[in-house]
Amino acid sequence: QKEVEQNSGPLSVPEGAIASLNCTYSDRVSQSFFWYRQYSGKSPELIMSIYSNGDKEDGRFTAQLNKASQYVSLLIRDSQPSDSATYLCAVGVQGAQKLVFGQGTRLTINP
Amino acid sequence: DTEVTQTPKHLVMGMTNKKSLKCEQHMGHRAMYWYKQKAKKPPELMFVYSYEKLSINESVPSRFSPECPNSSLLNLHLHALQPEDSALYLCASSHPTSGGSYEQYFGPGTRLTVT
Repeated sequence: QKEVEQNSGPLSVPEGAIASLNCTYSDRVSQSFFWYRQYSGKSPELIMSIYSNGDKEDGRFTAQLNKASQYVSLLIRDSQPSDSATYLCAVGVQGAQKLVFGQGTRLTINP
Repeated sequence: DTEVTQTPKHLVMGMTNKKSLKCEQHMGHRAMYWYKQKAKKPPELMFVYSYEKLSINESVPSRFSPECPNSSLLNLHLHALQPEDSALYLCASSHPTSGGSYEQYFGPGTRLTVT
């Protein structure tokens, strides 16, 4: 059984709309959660980290965590074509030193 | 500054060659990682060094040999690789936050092709 699940997409969103990316995880004791953005041919870039239940906002990005439901999401407001990338959800395990990644969701923003 | 550097950017090697990948960070991070990433797949953890000691080895074949000479440098020595080892090799580093979590920052990667 996979430890971190994401819809692989592709997810297509019109420019200016809200993109919603979802992730579920199986390890109930996990305490740290991350979203990475990866452009084609590039390395993953950390865009959000969240550790407590609720919402965390950073610019156009909002991460949401619900530990009871073992669910993490990323909202991108006012989506831009430059947001087109693969978004990787990662969960910290083994004392958070190890990250387990989901398969990634490919997001396309259509002008 | 959250910069992790990796050299070389690209590497082509034969199955009998010996080569090394290098990673460097100057952020004072005390944990460093090697990942392997195949196309359209997420990064796959290989090794973790914490305070210059190997703390996690994800059952990686011995043809991959990591080394951490000091807190800023991480090497991955390659020997007798197979074509299926061709991938993007990523280095990352992290430092515990006040909450005890590790935000990992990735380098640009080395694109390895084994012929």
